Amino acid sequence: NAGVMQNPRHLVRRRGQEARLRCSPMKGHSHVYWYRQLPEEGLKFMVYLQKENIIDESGMPKERFSAEFPKEGPSILRIQQVVRGDSAAYFCASSPPVGGEITNYGYTFGSGTRLTVV
Amino acid sequence: GEDVEQSLFLSVREGDSSVINCTYTDSSSTYLYWYKQEPGAGLQLLTYIFSNMDMKQDQRLTVLLNKKDKHLSLRIADTQTGDSAIYFCAVGKTGNQFYFGTGTSLTVIP
Repeated sequence: NAGVMQNPRHLVRRRGQEARLRCSPMKGHSHVYWYRQLPEEGLKFMVYLQKENIIDESGMPKERFSAEFPKEGPSILRIQQVVRGDSAAYFCASSPPVGGEITNYGYTFGSGTRLTVV
Repeated sequence: GEDVEQSLFLSVREGDSSVINCTYTDSSSTYLYWYKQEPGAGLQLLTYIFSNMDMKQDQRLTVLLNKKDKHLSLRIADTQTGDSAIYFCAVGKTGNQFYFGTGTSLTVIP
């Protein structure tokens, strides 16, 4: 039973290129969350998705960043025209659907993608 | 959203107890979690508490919740060098959306 799989683990991009980060949630999990961790800073929420729906994108920068979670396949976080300030660790987490009862699942995190913009 | 705050750094001597604190702003938060992040790794769920509880103990870990003050703490007894990591608290009202603190970097001095 694989956990949350993120790839690639490390990604190097030149300024102006595009970065695509992939996340496959745990089996049975239908909710995906993306977080960004900047050096010396905490974990910042970016976006919350369910299959084919963006539920909350309040943490996403307005430009260059987009996310999707298609009916089939992994969730993708896309950063266009990357800049040095985009260098960070990007974590994906997933959770099962909550059917109105309290669950202790919390999130299950992937190991992250470390993006370096040169 | 919700504001979740933690102090950034904590140093303790091996064998002592560590207490990591967290404050939050939304009094209706129901789910409260502690995560551990080791260098270069993702976040691992350590323990959790629900708002209808005041305390939870799990081996060396004790979680205390003061709902009136909106204060959560994690106590690690007999702290070991392997406990050195960043500890995040996370709170939420539903089972799906959580807000994380900035993380507390715990350094254990041998």
